[in-house]
Amino acid sequence: GAVVSQHPSRVICKSGTSVKIECRSLDFQATTMFWYRQFPKQSLMLMATSNEGSKATYEQGVEKDKFLINHASLTLSTLTVTSAHPEDSSFYICSARVESSYNSPLHFGNGTRLTVT
Amino acid sequence: AQSVTQLGSHVSVSEGALVLLRCNYSSSVPPYLFWYVQYPNQGLQLLLKYTTGATLVKGINGFEAEFKKSETSFHLTKPSAHMSDAAEYFCAVTQGRTGTASKLTFGTGTRLQVML
Repeated sequence: GAVVSQHPSRVICKSGTSVKIECRSLDFQATTMFWYRQFPKQSLMLMATSNEGSKATYEQGVEKDKFLINHASLTLSTLTVTSAHPEDSSFYICSARVESSYNSPLHFGNGTRLTVT
Repeated sequence: AQSVTQLGSHVSVSEGALVLLRCNYSSSVPPYLFWYVQYPNQGLQLLLKYTTGATLVKGINGFEAEFKKSETSFHLTKPSAHMSDAAEYFCAVTQGRTGTASKLTFGTGTRLQVML
C-alpha cells in the first residue's frame, strides 16, 4: 500500500531557531500534499496545501512566512517552522494521496512532535 | 462548505461489547466520508471509506460504517471491542477526490476506551 514517510518523528529545538520537517511519498507520486497541525487531545487542523512546482495554499490564520512549505518534487514536501517559539510546539502531520488511483484516500505520515524550549 | 460532528469526545466500552462511534456530516455536494484511527504519538491510519456504491462499508480490524444520506450520518461500529481498539477515532469528509478538493475536514475526534 501507499506509504508516506515523515521525518523527523520528534524534534526539540530552542526558541528562535528553525526546524525543517520532511514528508515523502515512498511508492507513489503526489502532486498535492497536505500539512496538518494537532494540539494535544484535539483534532487535526489543516494548515496548508502543498502543490508540486507552485506556491502552497495556506488556510486562513496560518502565517505563510512562519510556516514555509516547499514541494520541489512529486515525492517530497517540506515544512519549515521559522524562528520557532514555544507556542509552535505541536504535532505536525503530512498527508498525500495516490493521484492516479480513483477515489484513493489520503495517506498520512506518522507525524512529527515539535517541542520548542 | 463541509463539516463533521462527532458526538461524544469519550466513549467507554467493555471488552467484547459493541462499539458505536457517531459521526454526522454536512456537505453541499455528495460527500466522501472516512474514518481514521490514531494511536498515541502516531499519524492516522485509514479504517474505511465511503465514496460511492454500497452504503455499508467494511474496513480493517472488524470495523464497519453505514452511510445514511437521510440522516447525514456515517456512524462507525464494531460488534465486539478488543483492548487493542483503544485509540482516538476521527471521522472526516471531503467533497472532491483530486488535488486541493481532496483536502479533508476532520471531526473533533472520539477517544475510545476499552475496559476489561
